[in-house]
Amino acid sequence: DAGITQSPRHKVTETGTPVTLRCHQTENHRYMYWYRQDPGHGLRLIHYSYGVKDTDKGEVSDGYSVSRSKTEDFLLTLESATSSQTSVYFCAILRGGLANTGELFFGEGSRLTVL
Amino acid sequence: GESVGLHLPTLSVQEGDNSIINCAYSNSASDYFIWYKQESGKGPQFIIDIRSNMDKRQGQRVTVLLNKTVKHLSLQIAATQPGDSAVYFCAENYNNDMRFGAGTRLTVKP
Repeated sequence: DAGITQSPRHKVTETGTPVTLRCHQTENHRYMYWYRQDPGHGLRLIHYSYGVKDTDKGEVSDGYSVSRSKTEDFLLTLESATSSQTSVYFCAILRGGLANTGELFFGEGSRLTVL
Repeated sequence: GESVGLHLPTLSVQEGDNSIINCAYSNSASDYFIWYKQESGKGPQFIIDIRSNMDKRQGQRVTVLLNKTVKHLSLQIAATQPGDSAVYFCAENYNNDMRFGAGTRLTVKP
């Protein structure tokens, strides 16, 4: 399903460097999310967006920023990557319904390694 | 700590048998629950959902049961197939805050 694509799919970077992950959707959904997934933890929400230029923090937002300048793109930025940000990052869109119902549809993930 | 958890981190079943994956949640006010399946190297995939005003919902080969009294959610997979091998997550939602469990890995033996 190509409704949502993430780039890059894999990235290795060094501590202290900036990193931007991109999420692109083709379905014109209002709500978009960034999660991280780590062993032993469920998916944890970093930031989400409820419209163009409308974003809010999630559970683990420290060290991350986001931007949504147009409906189809939601960018996640690590201003200065740390080893603790090594993770798999998933973008999701909310298909149908209100923000607290409906299906979260996930991208394929972006694996980030910070050395 | 985790607001949503799973009783068993791994589950191994024989092909053709039924599978039951369990989940405990902690917020009695959660009003919406979802089960996701995640195959290796892929993103989570929606399986089935249930609202808090229901106690059972059936899909194709899958059934979700919700017991609000003990804050327990289960996913039943009928006639488990090799393609069902994956990690299964439950998630609970309250007031736009969706929390995910760590997952149970289901392995189907031929």
